[in-house]
Amino acid sequence: ETGVTQTPRHLVMGMTNKKSLKCEQHLGHNAMYWYKQSAKKPLELMFVYNFKEQTENNSVPSRFSPECPNSSHLFLHLHTLQPEDSALYLCASSPPGRVDGYTFGSGTRLTVV
Amino acid sequence: AQSVSQHNHHVILSEAASLELGCNYSYGGTVNLFWYVQYPGQHLQLLLKYFSGDPLVKGIKGFEAEFIKSKFSFNLRKPSVQWSDTAEYFCAVNVGGAAGNKLTFGGGTRVLVKP
Repeated sequence: ETGVTQTPRHLVMGMTNKKSLKCEQHLGHNAMYWYKQSAKKPLELMFVYNFKEQTENNSVPSRFSPECPNSSHLFLHLHTLQPEDSALYLCASSPPGRVDGYTFGSGTRLTVV
Repeated sequence: AQSVSQHNHHVILSEAASLELGCNYSYGGTVNLFWYVQYPGQHLQLLLKYFSGDPLVKGIKGFEAEFIKSKFSFNLRKPSVQWSDTAEYFCAVNVGGAAGNKLTFGGGTRVLVKP
C-alpha cells in the first residue's frame, strides 16, 4: 500500500448510473489530485485541491463532480458517463508546496457500459 | 501551457542491454523534472527528480537522467536492464510558480525486457 487508498479497485457502471470513487490518505498531506489514465493518452490532470479548496479544474465535463470534505478524503462523483470515460482514475496527494512529494494510489479501473 | 513529449511508445530489449528513454518538454522558464515508473498492476512510483544543481541525477534501481537545458530534454538511462525493469515509464514536469504543485505527464513509454 502506498498510503493513498482508492476504492473501489474496479467499477463497472451503466451510462445512467450514479457512482462515486473514494480516495483516502493519512499522510498528513494537504493537496489532493484526480488524474485520468487512458490507453494511448498521457495522464490527464482533472482536479486539484489544496487545503480542501479546489484550485484547478482542467476543463473536466460536469458529469464528473469532485468533493473534498477534508484534507484526508477526496471523492469523484460520476453521473451519466459515456463509454469513452472508461479509464484508470488515479488519486494522488502531496504535502503543501512539495511537488516532489506526490504519492499515488493504485487507482480505480472504471468501465462504462 | 507546458507539454511533455516522450518519443517512444514501446521499447523491447533484452536483459543486460542499455536503455535510454527520451523526454522533451516545452517551457522556457525554470522547471522541475521527474521520472515515474509504473510496474504491472502497481501504482506510480518516483524514480528520480531534478530541481537544480548537477544536471546528471541518479535515482533508484540504477536509473539516471540528464537534464540538458538547451535541448529542453530530460532523458532517462540505465546501463544494463533486468527483466524486472519491465514497466511503463512516465516523464513529468512542474513549472512551479502560479502552476503550484501540478505535474504534467508525458504519454508514457512501455518497456518490455525479455529474459
